[in-house]
Formats: sequence, C-alpha cells, structure tokens
Amino acid sequence: GAGVSQSPRYKVAKRGQDVALRCDPISGHVSLFWYQQALGQGPEFLTYFQNEAQLDKSGLPSDRFFAERPEGSVSTLKIQRTQQEDSAVYLCASSSRGGADTDTQYFGPGTRLTVL
Amino acid sequence: AQTVTQSQPEMSVQEAETVTLSCTYDTSENNYYLFWYKQPPSRQMILVIRQEAYKQQNATENRFSVNFQKAAKSFSLKISDSQLGDTAMYFCAFMKHVRAGNMLTFGGGTRLMVKP
Repeated sequence: GAGVSQSPRYKVAKRGQDVALRCDPISGHVSLFWYQQALGQGPEFLTYFQNEAQLDKSGLPSDRFFAERPEGSVSTLKIQRTQQEDSAVYLCASSSRGGADTDTQYFGPGTRLTVL
Repeated sequence: AQTVTQSQPEMSVQEAETVTLSCTYDTSENNYYLFWYKQPPSRQMILVIRQEAYKQQNATENRFSVNFQKAAKSFSLKISDSQLGDTAMYFCAFMKHVRAGNMLTFGGGTRLMVKP
C-alpha cells in the first residue's frame, strides 16, 4: 500500500506568516508522530497522536505550534507567526500496533520550511 | 531521559567493502527497541533494521547486521558489500517499549559515503 505522504514538500514563508503542513499516514495506522529536523541534525520529537487524541505534545517548542488529527487519519501541523528559527524539515511518521513491525515508525518525505 | 550518541560524524568506504557505524545510548529502561534509519539526500527516512532489547540474537537484514551489546549500551551497524546506493546519512534511534507515546530519540547521525 501507499506510504506516508506529506504536503507541501517545500514551503517558503515570510516571517510572521502562518503555515499549515499536512500528513497522510499509512492507512490503518493508529499512531502518528511529528518531528522537527534542523539542518545537519537528527530529528526531534514534537507531538504524538493515537487516533484522534493528542496524547503527547511535550516537544512542541512554543504555543505558536499546534497540531490536530480530527478524524484519526490526516494530521495538520500549524505554525503561527513563523520565525526564522522555525526553518527546518518537518517529518511525519506513523506506526501500527500488532504484527511483526508493531511500533516501527514509517516516515514521510518531509516538508522543508524556510522562513525568510 | 534517553540519549543517543553517534561518535562518527562522517565515514567513507570503498565499494564492496565492509563498514561499521557506531552508536551508544543511555537509558534506565530495560525494555526498548533500537533502530537504524537511512536518510538519503531525497530526505526520506528509511528503516534499515530494528532490534528488540529482550532478544539476544543480533538482527540481520540482507547486507545489514547489528552488534547489540545491552550491558555496554552499544548498537553498531555493519554494512557488508557496500554499494553506491548506501551513500546517505544514517541515524541510530531509541524507543521505549510502552503502551503508547513511544517516540523515537535520535542520535546526531553519521554521513556515509561509498566510493567507487
């Protein structure tokens, strides 16, 4: 089946603009994660959903970051009043429970956000 | 909190030879997973191999194998018969084994270049 998809692949925003990043997980995956990857570094956890419930948002760097997954499938990460330090690649991952690959996270291609 | 350390920022290997990438981690957990992910320039994070901490046998996937030393908290990746397509960033990652909210903690990555 199809893997995790993300859109847009690239986003350029002027400082102060709001942006919305979309993630389509693998069909049937109940768990969905967002990560932020700064240039040359490993990804860092932002937030986690189990179905539509946001169970952990401890990694969100400020209250300008907001994520939702209203129907337990597609998720949107919204960043309000973008700042230059928000420039990064935003990765989405999903995982299932049960089976040989339980809890293994499969990643999308990421959205590269550049804030000017 | 867990930490993951990859002490080799860059490595190179000749095509068809063998290379080993190092990873150490720090945790007080007894039950967890360890992963190696590959990230080529296209940015897609691809799962290479997975190891459950309770399993003593080292995981293997074709040309990829790990040396898991639980007491030493070491998890190295061996790539045999290196191919040009193995050129990428490699990330070691740790995941607690819990009911929910099991996010990945990544190391800083090792850039591997396979030379013809």
